[in-house]
Amino acid sequence: QSALTQPRSVSGSPGQSVTISCTGTSSDVGYYNYVSWYQQHPGKVPKLLIYDVSKRPSGVPDRFSGSKSGNTASLTISGLQAEDEADYYCCSYAGAYSLVFGGGTKLTVL
Amino acid sequence: EVQLVESGGGLVQPGGSLRLSCAASGFTFSSYEMNWVRQAPGKGLEWVSYISSDGSTIYYADSVKGRFTVSRDNAKNSQYLQMNSLRAEDTAVYYCARGYYRDSVRVDYWGQGTLVTVSS
Repeated sequence: QSALTQPRSVSGSPGQSVTISCTGTSSDVGYYNYVSWYQQHPGKVPKLLIYDVSKRPSGVPDRFSGSKSGNTASLTISGLQAEDEADYYCCSYAGAYSLVFGGGTKLTVL
Repeated sequence: EVQLVESGGGLVQPGGSLRLSCAASGFTFSSYEMNWVRQAPGKGLEWVSYISSDGSTIYYADSVKGRFTVSRDNAKNSQYLQMNSLRAEDTAVYYCARGYYRDSVRVDYWGQGTLVTVSS
């Protein structure tokens, strides 16, 4: 149950696009199409942004999109806005009802 | 509106015990799997446990296996986490989180969390 690997930080200017990667193994990200992404503002509760690799819950803007290739999943945020500054966590199903999270990525909007 | 409200956190000495509770409302609790997820101060999220909708299937992270016990009472719309033999590294905010494991896998609602501090 090793944590998924994410960059510690990424940054972008308003209006730009940024992509956050999430690397796992052939036992989690690479095996299951059950990768989700969460946004967490400081002191707040995690919020579901993307599930099943690329699906968005109702209410999440289409500026947020997800994809996967092999053992690596990605979250892309287009048209960056100031309120997107937050921590982002990926999560993969790892079998036997277990979940494994990434270490988190801090997004700074310049 | 889905609501998950945790309680029971606090300061406990190493080796001690604590029982967390999570009260659910706004959905049919007995139809959903539940999880506990924790977050150490300034750190990332860590999955702790899973319990099926009827309580018959339970899984734990290796880091808590043998020390933590999850349970639920569908009549009371609540899940619980009994934490024994607590260690300093168990210090974290513990979130109660609703899971969905049918043709999809996601944790879609989270409580506000309850802080557990293990220190002498």
